[in-house]
Amino acid sequence: DTAVSQTPKYLVTQMGNDKSIKCEQNLGHDTMYWYKQDSKKFLKIMFSYNNKELIINETVPNRFSPKSPDKAHLNLHINSLELGDSAVYFCASSPQGGYTQYFGPGTRLTVL
Amino acid sequence: AQSVTQLGSHVSVSEGALVLLRCNYSSSVPPYLFWYVQYPNQGLQLLLKYTTGATLVKGINGFEAEFKKSETSFHLTKPSAHMSDAAEYFCAEPNTGNQFYFGTGTSLTVIP
Repeated sequence: DTAVSQTPKYLVTQMGNDKSIKCEQNLGHDTMYWYKQDSKKFLKIMFSYNNKELIINETVPNRFSPKSPDKAHLNLHINSLELGDSAVYFCASSPQGGYTQYFGPGTRLTVL
Repeated sequence: AQSVTQLGSHVSVSEGALVLLRCNYSSSVPPYLFWYVQYPNQGLQLLLKYTTGATLVKGINGFEAEFKKSETSFHLTKPSAHMSDAAEYFCAEPNTGNQFYFGTGTSLTVIP
């Protein structure tokens, strides 16, 4: 009964490749998010998305793109992967009008 | 700019001792504030949150935090540390788009 799930848990790939991370939530929430956690544990928002609005943090390269096939899913596509993209990526969701966010277990991306 | 500051990237306490993790916010308007915990190789779990009302907030696992507007603080405490409390703790504040700004985290070590 995982509330927010991500696949894969680990992703190892070569520089220049394109990869996707999937996120699904079964909480019925309206808004989903992607965060990046670097090697120093610093967490930074990348995107937030609901059915009306995509908010992109200005520091996120356009190689990163969120794609939402439906309200329960927000996938993260990354093109032309770079070494600096290595990090743990967390998906989260929150209900309409609510501030509390519920996080997935994370995807550890390693770019070689 | 909106931000939260966590003083002390590493805190060590003896088992049974008081835990005090510090968080200060910078919002000029009454904020919503959150504490999350991250156990090794896991996602973030909500410990507690302050929205409105009572300034002393109780959370899970015996943790509590007090919102002090005069000090712009939201410090996290637990009267008696347990070995299982060893983890990374994050203070967070949402912006108007409900994107979280996280502090830099505090790693808590509990010494037997």
